[in-house]
Amino acid sequence: SQELEQSPQSLIVQEGKNLTINCTSSKTLYGLYWYKQKYGEGLIFLMMLQKGGEEKSHEKITAKLDEKKQQSSLHITASQPSHAGIYLCGAYYSGNTPLVFGKGTRLSVIA
Amino acid sequence: NAGVTQTPKFRILKIGQSMTLQCTQDMNHNYMYWYRQDPGMGLKLIYYSVGAGITDKGEVPNGYNVSRSTTEDFPLRLELAAPSQTSVYFCASSSMRGPFLQETQYFGPGTRLLVL
Repeated sequence: SQELEQSPQSLIVQEGKNLTINCTSSKTLYGLYWYKQKYGEGLIFLMMLQKGGEEKSHEKITAKLDEKKQQSSLHITASQPSHAGIYLCGAYYSGNTPLVFGKGTRLSVIA
Repeated sequence: NAGVTQTPKFRILKIGQSMTLQCTQDMNHNYMYWYRQDPGMGLKLIYYSVGAGITDKGEVPNGYNVSRSTTEDFPLRLELAAPSQTSVYFCASSSMRGPFLQETQYFGPGTRLLVL
């Protein structure tokens, strides 16, 4: 079964609107990464969260990890066309296991 | 630094053919990974390596082989291509992880493979 569930699978928002993408784990996370993938390209690192309750921001993107370290959210404020792409969360479940990825959320931003 | 480079960018194979996907990183990273990405399925780990001479299977290793003779290179080999191996393949690398996970994985641009 999939250990990391992302929701929604796809999202269409109007430019300027806020949006949230969620990543839920069936087990306690050791660390959580958010990546962005532009269509047909590789993954670009956005943020990494490790501590329960941690929150990080970069420009208009904010990522949070809940206290139990089983759920993370990615919030985009005042979306722009440049935010369009596929957002993936990836998790470590221990210090020695490879990264496990969610299925991704496809974001489209329309004018 | 070029980061992680992959060749080729795109390839069409016939069923039963073999090929090697090349991956090179110039960041002196110990950890290297191969993933495949199918539409709507996220990334699945094929093989990974924690250093030269050491490789291990990931979630979907069947039909693939890897080797790691140097720190920089981590080629992925498909011996008998099958239509199920049609996918986009990503190579990634990271430095050795300590207990605080300060280092992220850096990804190459991907190789798009079509098996007909």
